Amino acid sequence: DADVTQTPRNRITKTGKRIMLECSQTKGHDRMYWYRQDPGLGLRLIYYSFDVKDINKGEISDGYSVSRQAQAKFSLSLESAIPNQTALYFCATSESGTGKDNVQFFGPGTRLTVL
Amino acid sequence: KQEVTQIPAALSVPEGENLVLNCSFTDSAIYNLQWFRQDPGKGLTSLLLIQSSQREQTSGRLNASLDKSSGRSTLYIAASQPGDSATYLCAVKGAQKLVFGQGTRLTINP
Repeated sequence: DADVTQTPRNRITKTGKRIMLECSQTKGHDRMYWYRQDPGLGLRLIYYSFDVKDINKGEISDGYSVSRQAQAKFSLSLESAIPNQTALYFCATSESGTGKDNVQFFGPGTRLTVL
Repeated sequence: KQEVTQIPAALSVPEGENLVLNCSFTDSAIYNLQWFRQDPGKGLTSLLLIQSSQREQTSGRLNASLDKSSGRSTLYIAASQPGDSATYLCAVKGAQKLVFGQGTRLTINP
């Protein structure tokens, strides 16, 4: 089984709908991240969480919210989806600690299309 | 603000060639630099991680170098194979987060 799973893998929705993307991990990592990837651009950080009670905004948090339900689960919500949120979304995890050496492990991605 | 650039955006070479992918970054105050591979429909796989105090790392046919003072890293792939076809991303680690380049899409032609 994959260490980092994302559901759904693909989603098509309409403008104005509320969407939740879910991420689960079995690696036992404290830190979890949400990124989006757009064609021709690198991954950009949306939100990150260093433990269950810690939530931080990333580079592009506007229009998104997150929930860290447990150490193993980190959900990303689009309260009212808009077409420019069409992108590939990745969840990632890493160990806690100094943060200097931590490799991030990525899920397979969720392709979201907002019509 | 850290910016990471990868050139070229796409590269197509015949099988068996040695090749170099480039990554540059604007702020040399980094903890480490990672090279990832991304396959369509799959997540990112970490290939190599170079600490800021290191000059290079090797794994099989892959060799990554880091020149922090000039803000550059290269990924060298020896004896390329069709299975190496993928998008390669570099990312630099600052105080708390990774900053990614836009990637180089590599195609190895049989």
